Amino acid sequence: EAQVTQNPRYLITVTGKKLTVTCSQNMNHEYMSWYRQDPGLGLRQIYYSMNVEVTDKGDVPEGYKVSRKEKRNFPLILESPSPNQTSLYFCASSSLGLAGDTGELFFGEGSRLTVL
Amino acid sequence: AQSVAQPEDQVNVAEGNPLTVKCTYSVSGNPYLFWYVQYPNRGLQFLLKYITGDNLVKGSYGFEAEFNKSQTSFHLKKPSALVSDSALYFCAVRDNPDSNYQLIWGAGTKLIIKP
Repeated sequence: EAQVTQNPRYLITVTGKKLTVTCSQNMNHEYMSWYRQDPGLGLRQIYYSMNVEVTDKGDVPEGYKVSRKEKRNFPLILESPSPNQTSLYFCASSSLGLAGDTGELFFGEGSRLTVL
Repeated sequence: AQSVAQPEDQVNVAEGNPLTVKCTYSVSGNPYLFWYVQYPNRGLQFLLKYITGDNLVKGSYGFEAEFNKSQTSFHLKKPSALVSDSALYFCAVRDNPDSNYQLIWGAGTKLIIKP
């Protein structure tokens, strides 16, 4: 089954304690992205990756890091989490068409993070 | 500035009635337009997209959307609503193929279908 898998789904942590949210896709997609969802703000992109070893900042990258060492994995790292990073996080992936065709985004189930 | 607006935070519709969820956009080039749906405690799912061609696009679960270039709108519609359509709906736009898949997202519209 084609899917994007995120872990953990739920996490409560404390300020400053480093954490990683993993994301893995089994569709051989080149493009992967992280979003955060906050009430009234819709989806805001954190980081994205067009392929292995290629990453770039989205709209709200501060306080986050990513890496893309393998095509299937795109972990999100919070080196020193703060309460304003309490949010619902989504990982998504997509294929890249030769003509720049869109490719629908496939989303993970989300990771709800609470930073105390 | 490029933007997407979903003017209604919530839309309430009786089951069996037609539904419309509105989306307007502002981009500099030719838009690629999308609708995604988010069911409670789930990730977003792709519903439909418009790239070019026929202005009426049909998608999953009986939904369709009409691209209106003059009104810069891409409203989501369904002729007969089901209670199971209750969810959060997001409109998104990309201005051209060279924007590296960077979508601009609306804030979302909560659709409530009452029995």
